Amino acid sequence: DTGVSQDPRHKITKRGQNVTFRCDPISEHNRLYWYRQTLGQGPEFLTYFQNEAQLEKSRLLSDRFSAERPKGSFSTLEIQRTEQGDSAMYLCASSYRGDGSYEQYFGPGTRLTVT
Amino acid sequence: AQKITQTQPGMFVQEKEAVTLDCTYDTSDPSYGLFWYKQPSSGEMIFLIYQGSYDQQNATEGRYSLNFQKARKSANLVISASQLGDSAMYFCAAHYQLGGSEKLVFGKGTKLTVNP
Repeated sequence: DTGVSQDPRHKITKRGQNVTFRCDPISEHNRLYWYRQTLGQGPEFLTYFQNEAQLEKSRLLSDRFSAERPKGSFSTLEIQRTEQGDSAMYLCASSYRGDGSYEQYFGPGTRLTVT
Repeated sequence: AQKITQTQPGMFVQEKEAVTLDCTYDTSDPSYGLFWYKQPSSGEMIFLIYQGSYDQQNATEGRYSLNFQKARKSANLVISASQLGDSAMYFCAAHYQLGGSEKLVFGKGTKLTVNP
């Protein structure tokens, strides 16, 4: 069990460019979450997958954001036409309810800077 | 709307002393869970402790304990025998389920500094 991994760890992009982040959850975890954390704030929920189905999208997730989990394993989060306000840490988490636990295991995050 | 309030932006404690970090929550859901996570300067979120709304006993995990007062809607974290490595941001979060979805809702965090 290597934990939740995210790639890249850091991304610097120019305003207007598209970026894509990847999250690999813990292998047996069927639930996957994306959160966004801006400076001085707690993480804010963006979206939730159970297996490959995206069951909830936050209103924070504008039309420029799209997330997928094509085979119920890894997930990608794409931001199109990035804006300076998108600069944040993007956190991925996964969980497995089979043991009755609600704990979400977090990855190290992808820090996005939009210049 | 679910809301978590952490009223202490920063706390200071002397090494080896105990410290309490405050958290209040707002929910009308009958079933919910409360978490505390630690976030060091490196950025990763580290799970510390969990309390379910129906749990009769306060949760404990090593030096961490959760003072759960359901009627007051508070879930304070108590760290005993503070260590220098405890210096970090601490986030209280509530687990909510609605329909087929679920999420964590976080507070704004408390920055704990442990002084030698």
